[in-house]
Parts: sequence; structure tokens; C-alpha cells
Amino acid sequence: ETGVTQTPRHLVMGMTNKKSLKCEQHLGHNAMYWYKQSAKKPLELMFVYNFKEQTENNSVPSRFSPECPNSSHLFLHLHTLQPEDSALYLCASSRREGGTDTQYFGPGTRLTVL
Amino acid sequence: AQKITQTQPGMFVQEKEAVTLDCTYDTSDPSYGLFWYKQPSSGEMIFLIYQGSYDQQNATEGRYSLNFQKARKSANLVISASQLGDSAMYFCAMRATGNQFYFGTGTSLTVIP
Repeated sequence: ETGVTQTPRHLVMGMTNKKSLKCEQHLGHNAMYWYKQSAKKPLELMFVYNFKEQTENNSVPSRFSPECPNSSHLFLHLHTLQPEDSALYLCASSRREGGTDTQYFGPGTRLTVL
Repeated sequence: AQKITQTQPGMFVQEKEAVTLDCTYDTSDPSYGLFWYKQPSSGEMIFLIYQGSYDQQNATEGRYSLNFQKARKSANLVISASQLGDSAMYFCAMRATGNQFYFGTGTSLTVIP
């Protein structure tokens, strides 16, 4: 399997549920990212990991909890979400954190919070 | 502040014609990269083309070319010989110093048969 994969592709959850989104990259990259894409808004960067270390947290509410066990895997743990958290969540990776390296994206998880 | 502006929310083009999608950017960093991504209805963000701020020539990738005008801070995407499969959202993005990728609000392109 190549590129960046994300599971699940679709997720519907209640506000009291706990779920996790998974991202895996097969590109040998060292940096991984979580983005949120809401309708009619630019992509919002949520978290950045470089060599498994979190280097960026863009004031994301604590109900979103990222985990990066190694450079190839990235998780986003969700708990007690709100309906406004419904969005497309995109994972991306790049060869390195800084500079102008291209980010490659996964297909996204479309999340609906009821 | 870093910023990307795409002023065309929606565009239509006839199949086999060329189309230009506009993008302007704002940064004070001397070194930066400009990117275009395509997002079909399936959701995946597909990388199309990259232009570095120090590149002397405009980037080209198959039917995609980037019209880079540094003094005007514009990085327009030109798609030649449009195909039905080109119908999608197109995002311009910029990366300068630090971790952030800055994305525009996107342009929805519809190719008409």
C-alpha cells in the first residue's frame, strides 16, 4: 500500500462517545499533520508531529487528543465532541517539518457528531 | 502575517479549453513555497504542482502550469485542455518558515462537456 491512508473514511458518533481516527503513511516521511476542513472555511492546521514529537498545537480543544507512536502512524482520539466538530479530518505527511517540503494528504475521515 | 487569497469561489470551463485559477499571497519571508492541490468530491487532497520563491522558471507538470509573478505576489494555476475529471475544488497553499501551511478558501471548477 502506498501514500497516506486514513481509517475510518466515515464516522458518525454521539457527543458522549469515544472514538479514534487513524492515519498511516508509507512514504518514509518524518513529519505528520492533522487538519480540520469545515464547509466554506480554509483548512485549519490542528497538530504537527516531527519524529514523533508534537511541535505544534494550534489551540485545539482538549476533546481532541493526538498520539504519534512512530513516524508512520498518527492517531486522533476523540471524546465528548460537539456538533460543530463535524468536519472532514485530513491527515498529511511531509519529508521533514520545516522548509518548503510538499505535504501529501490522505483521503480524510468525514466525521458527523450527533 | 501569512495569507493566501483565492477570489474565485466558482469557475466554469468548456471541455478542452484552458482555465486560470487565481491565487495571491502575502508573506514577508524571503523563502517560501507555493502549492496547488486538487480536492475531488471524494475528499482526498491531491498535490498538483509546486513553485519555490527562488525558482527562476514557472513550474509545469503535464497539463498544469503555475504562472508565478513574484512582484505581484500571485501564483495562478493554469490548466490546459480541460477534462471532465478536472471538475473539483482547487486550493492554493503557501509554506514559509515554521510548520504552517496556509490554505486559501478554494475555487470550485466545473468542466462542461
